[in-house]
Amino acid sequence: GAVVSQHPSWVICKSGTSVKIECRSLDFQATTMFWYRQFPKQSLMLMATSNEGSKATYEQGVEKDKFLINHASLTLSTLTVTSAHPEDSSFYICSAEGTDVGGYTFGSGTRLTVV
Amino acid sequence: QKEVEQDPGPLSVPEGAIVSLNCTYSNSAFQYFMWYRQYSRKGPELLMYTYSSGNKEDGRFTAQVDKSSKYISLFIRDSQPSDSATYLCALAQGAQKLVFGQGTRLTINP
Repeated sequence: GAVVSQHPSWVICKSGTSVKIECRSLDFQATTMFWYRQFPKQSLMLMATSNEGSKATYEQGVEKDKFLINHASLTLSTLTVTSAHPEDSSFYICSAEGTDVGGYTFGSGTRLTVV
Repeated sequence: QKEVEQDPGPLSVPEGAIVSLNCTYSNSAFQYFMWYRQYSRKGPELLMYTYSSGNKEDGRFTAQVDKSSKYISLFIRDSQPSDSATYLCALAQGAQKLVFGQGTRLTINP
């Protein structure tokens, strides 16, 4: 089945630094990728939608200059958390929707801790 | 009113029981209906995907969609402790963003 590889699975960084999270679709072309944030015991909150070669569309309240999304190819999308602060600590998950793929495939998630 | 409503539980049942998980929705434009299972600190895993009313079966799992009532269900037969997880319903209009239910935390007791 369709697989989305997300790295790193966890990361600890110092406040003020930037962190990049990668998502790759391994066996299909991801025409659209979604980035979510999830707090403990809560459902997923959509942050942004990106289409290959286009600028990402951010949900209301999500700072586009803080959460930089790049979707340069049909198999790779990245989320960069810039100037991270402790309140950015969360579980970040990507998902991909591609042609001929039933459903939306999720990555395994990245646990970010900012200290 | 939320677009998708799901009872957050928690739901606790004995091993071997039949589990019924449900979601209701208000937007008749939803065309695609999915159920995901999420273990703690992991990404959601797609269990069932359907786009028509009726039942779809896969092993111990059955997804049911009733578009006229705007109601979807996931049934788990012969439940196992390994089924303990959070189950999320997710709906979409075409190739657009998913709208999730709140998730139901399920525990299967040995």
